[in-house]
Amino acid sequence: EVQLVESGGGLVQPGGSLSLSCAASGFAFSNYWMYWVRQAPETGLVWVSRISRDGSTINYADSVKGRFTISRDNAKNTLYLQMNSLRAEDTAVYYCARELQWGWLDPWGQGTLVTVSS
Amino acid sequence: DIVMTQTPLSLSVTPGQPASISCKSSQSVLHSDGKTYLFWYLQKPGQPPQLLIYEVSNRFSGVPERFSGSGSGTDFTLKISRVEAEDVGVYYCLQHLHLPITFGQGTRLEIE
Repeated sequence: EVQLVESGGGLVQPGGSLSLSCAASGFAFSNYWMYWVRQAPETGLVWVSRISRDGSTINYADSVKGRFTISRDNAKNTLYLQMNSLRAEDTAVYYCARELQWGWLDPWGQGTLVTVSS
Repeated sequence: DIVMTQTPLSLSVTPGQPASISCKSSQSVLHSDGKTYLFWYLQKPGQPPQLLIYEVSNRFSGVPERFSGSGSGTDFTLKISRVEAEDVGVYYCLQHLHLPITFGQGTRLEIE
């Protein structure tokens, strides 16, 4: 079964850091681009970042550029999101997703909640 | 950034009746390869989003035939021919041509 499982969410103070992980199973992880998408409470979906198969191409939304770092370890079948200088507006459920083909995001993980609050 | 505007933001439909959601992009999402990178996702209550329609009008694996997508250029539509109870949730359009990748605001479908 193809599966993505996020972990690492939690409560952090403004200005703090958090590292998210997304463990992949059931498919050849190294063959796919991977994405992070977030959803603030009761709001819509916002793309955060993406990384190419070998990690050589990385893109970020402007709102997280310079603060968040996406990476992957293909040997461990794991995607990461290092989040620094966190702000209240970063509070959201963070989903990882596999890109099957250009724009085909499937599947998505169940998400991990990040709460930035003092 | 390409702005994706969905209408309506919510709709309530009687089971068996049709439903239609519009999505307009602020710029064309037609690529030089001839494909239009417009997608529809559904987020059911308590679940992550799931892919429904890719490249405007193609149903993803396992998506029922009652779902259809149409449109071109900057105007797109998702239609459900006969709404069922399991179709409740929030529908999002997504453009995947230009960075940043952008979603519509979402349209919440409820059953009357």
